[in-house]
Amino acid sequence: KQEVTQIPAALSVPEGENLVLNCSFTDSAIYNLQWFRQDPGKGLTSLLLIQSSQREQTSGRLNASLDKSSGRSTLYIAASQPGDSATYLCAPSGGGADGLTFGKGTHLIIQP
Amino acid sequence: DAGVIQSPRHEVTEMGQEVTLRCKPISGHNSLFWYRQTMMRGLELLIYFNNNVPIDDSGMPEDRFSAKMPNASFSTLKIQPSEPRDSAVYFCASSPPYLGPTDTQYFGPGTRLTVL
Repeated sequence: KQEVTQIPAALSVPEGENLVLNCSFTDSAIYNLQWFRQDPGKGLTSLLLIQSSQREQTSGRLNASLDKSSGRSTLYIAASQPGDSATYLCAPSGGGADGLTFGKGTHLIIQP
Repeated sequence: DAGVIQSPRHEVTEMGQEVTLRCKPISGHNSLFWYRQTMMRGLELLIYFNNNVPIDDSGMPEDRFSAKMPNASFSTLKIQPSEPRDSAVYFCASSPPYLGPTDTQYFGPGTRLTVL
């Protein structure tokens, strides 16, 4: 059974800093890995999806990397802004139309 | 498209009562997922359907929980009888057919359930 750990559980930094969120997973036989954002009282929004054959994926100020063999992924946020404050969830996928396994997330606060 | 629609958005009920949560997936999507989110356990998959057929219900916590998908446009998650430990946010998600390595699930806004 896939287990996902996200570190740190919470992070508070001043605006403008670059930061790294970490995700580790126990079963490296994954199809892809997604990073989601969750705002308070809202659903999840997919930020980045990395296929198992890829090493990284970029969208704007976000960059996600994947080291499948070691069971690790990182989400790098450049030049953080208060609007980035949210909970970030990592979800490796076993493939096909299977359900996702999530970490407990990193609760991020960017101080203005 | 309106996205995944869930109702009600908030539900407060008393222990022992029956609770029914509803979900309308995105039109054209053929997979539907029910998740539960709590502080202690995070986000967990309860059950998922493909083409209206339940594929994996191993995440359903106990017999008090049941889910149905009578057609491609509607699904329900029922708890009977409800207990305080069922208090959580319940999310529904859907995904399109012909899932490739870049396809993802689309989540609804969730139903916040409080059982007193």
